Amino acid sequence: GAVVSQHPSWVICKSGTSVKIECRSLDFQATTMFWYRQFPKQSLMLMATSNEGSKATYEQGVEKDKFLINHASLTLSTLTVTSAHPEDSSFYICSASPREAYEQYFGPGTRLTVT
Amino acid sequence: KQEVTQIPAALSVPEGENLVLNCSFTDSAIYNLQWFRQDPGKGLTSLLLIQSSQREQTSGRLNASLDKSSGRSTLYIAASQPGDSATYLCAVAGGYQKVTFGIGTKLQVIP
Repeated sequence: GAVVSQHPSWVICKSGTSVKIECRSLDFQATTMFWYRQFPKQSLMLMATSNEGSKATYEQGVEKDKFLINHASLTLSTLTVTSAHPEDSSFYICSASPREAYEQYFGPGTRLTVT
Repeated sequence: KQEVTQIPAALSVPEGENLVLNCSFTDSAIYNLQWFRQDPGKGLTSLLLIQSSQREQTSGRLNASLDKSSGRSTLYIAASQPGDSATYLCAVAGGYQKVTFGIGTKLQVIP
């Protein structure tokens, strides 16, 4: 139980384009989802927290207009990297927390390369 | 602010050796601690989750311990194998569901 999937697992896009990453909780309802990113040789850092049906809360230093997060249902959250640049190339991972529970279950991650 | 440190940053051992990876955290008010494995270019694989009320968890050749009062956790790998080569991440869950990751220990097991 408590499986979280991400799609795609890797993506290459051209500079200036936008790319969408999906995060799904497969066997539970996730009232809260989290998005993290990992730059080379650095730890995973929280980007934003989203609750179903409300706006995401972004961590300091994360541009909300660049990283659009939508949590429209209890099983799906999306992260859209708008006008991607090479410096946005990173490993993005989501996690999901079930209703009335504390644990976060992590997805496998998406590796984004912007050329 | 929670800070998670993993020592060593890299470790190279011969196959068959037992080894210990260390994780320390600054704020002992944690909810749980989790160890992950990350292969190069790949995602995270959860290895062990220890709740704050627990002292250790075991899965196969892996054993993780937690000493909340001293802010330390160890991951013990018995009889290491080349397939164990990966980066091992420690993640601490604290207040407001905030998870803080360490930078990881890169393990290489030499055949």
